[in-house]
Amino acid sequence: GAVVSQHPSRVICKSGTSVKIECRSLDFQATTMFWYRQFPKQSLMLMATSNEGSKATYEQGVEKDKFLINHASLTLSTLTVTSAHPEDSSFYICSARQAGIKETQYFGPGTRLLVL
Amino acid sequence: AQSVSQHNHHVILSEAASLELGCNYSYGGTVNLFWYVQYPGQHLQLLLKYFSGDPLVKGIKGFEAEFIKSKFSFNLRKPSVQWSDTAEYFCAVNAWGGTASKLTFGTGTRLQVTL
Repeated sequence: GAVVSQHPSRVICKSGTSVKIECRSLDFQATTMFWYRQFPKQSLMLMATSNEGSKATYEQGVEKDKFLINHASLTLSTLTVTSAHPEDSSFYICSARQAGIKETQYFGPGTRLLVL
Repeated sequence: AQSVSQHNHHVILSEAASLELGCNYSYGGTVNLFWYVQYPGQHLQLLLKYFSGDPLVKGIKGFEAEFIKSKFSFNLRKPSVQWSDTAEYFCAVNAWGGTASKLTFGTGTRLQVTL
């Protein structure tokens, strides 16, 4: 149980284009989902917290207009990297907190983004 | 704001050796503590967690961790490692407060187990 999927697993795009990454909780409802960014050989940095049916809460230094988050249902959150630039190339990981399960996050497999 | 320190960045052990990975956090209030593992090419998986009660927590695959409140530590241990334990290990803290659901991760420890 508690499986989280991400799509796509990797994407290459041209600078200036937008990329959408989906995060789904497959066998549970997630009232809260989280988006992280992981640089090579570094830890996960929380970008934003996404609550179903409300606006996402962004961490300090994360541009909300650049990283658009939508949490339209209890099983789906999307992250759109708008007008991507090479410095946005990274590994993006989502996690989902299972409703009713005390403070445990389950992580997706990540999406590797390469902006040329 | 809470922070998490993992002092061992890269650990190399032979099979059957004992393992202890350090994790220290800075936060004065109530915390939830986690260890996650990331095997090569795979996603983060929960090894074990501590919320309250017995400070010695047992997780999957023979791992355990001990919460020592006075030392702000939550070290991960395994008596005898296997080659399949080669992975990246992350300690994480969820500090209770205005942002109860936020996890703060340490920088990770890369464990390499040799045959």
